[in-house]
Amino acid sequence: GDSVTQMEGPVTLSEEAFLTINCTYTATGYPSLFWYVQYPGEGLQLLLKATKADDKGSNKGFEATYRKETTSFHLEKGSVQVSDSAVYFCALSDRMNRDDKIIFGKGTRLHILP
Amino acid sequence: GAVVSQHPSRVICKSGTSVKIECRSLDFQATTMFWYRQFPKQSLMLMATSNEGSKATYEQGVEKDKFLINHASLTLSTLTVTSAHPEDSSFYICSASPPRSQDEQYFGPGTRLTVT
Repeated sequence: GDSVTQMEGPVTLSEEAFLTINCTYTATGYPSLFWYVQYPGEGLQLLLKATKADDKGSNKGFEATYRKETTSFHLEKGSVQVSDSAVYFCALSDRMNRDDKIIFGKGTRLHILP
Repeated sequence: GAVVSQHPSRVICKSGTSVKIECRSLDFQATTMFWYRQFPKQSLMLMATSNEGSKATYEQGVEKDKFLINHASLTLSTLTVTSAHPEDSSFYICSASPPRSQDEQYFGPGTRLTVT
């Protein structure tokens, strides 16, 4: 079945450091890929998405490129801030499954130190 | 933009009682809503898919008689935890997809349930 694997955390970085959170996926169809962010005590917010191969999603300085050849969707940011501290979830939705379910990775907790 | 609300945000109840959690889409109609459960420091576990006007579809291992879902209208789904026990304590999150959203789901802020 479809699945998402992302790097385990926690990830601790200093402010202004470069961030990469790895995410790979397996899917039988043609998935859309997402990164969601969860701030402490809150629900999930869509951070960015890509719907087809080679698409790049971007938002708030974060970027991720849909790489079909490596089945990856790694999240990157050039200079992180303390306010980026949160849990990040990589996810997919496979349009071949007509149920609109989203499959989540286990999440990566990010701590940014001032 | 698409907004999903949940009520209450936090609830504490005694073991053996029932608790109802509401999920509302505030500015769009949602024929389908999803209920998730999140354990501390873990990912979201899909519990069920709530369908307006029909029965919910439960994921394997989720007790349908314990977690009652009612999709009363195109903007409201409710999750009732019946005869709650301490092991039901968790963070419950709902989501909904606006029409023509291209796979996008919008999540509610979550409800923290504590059963004492």
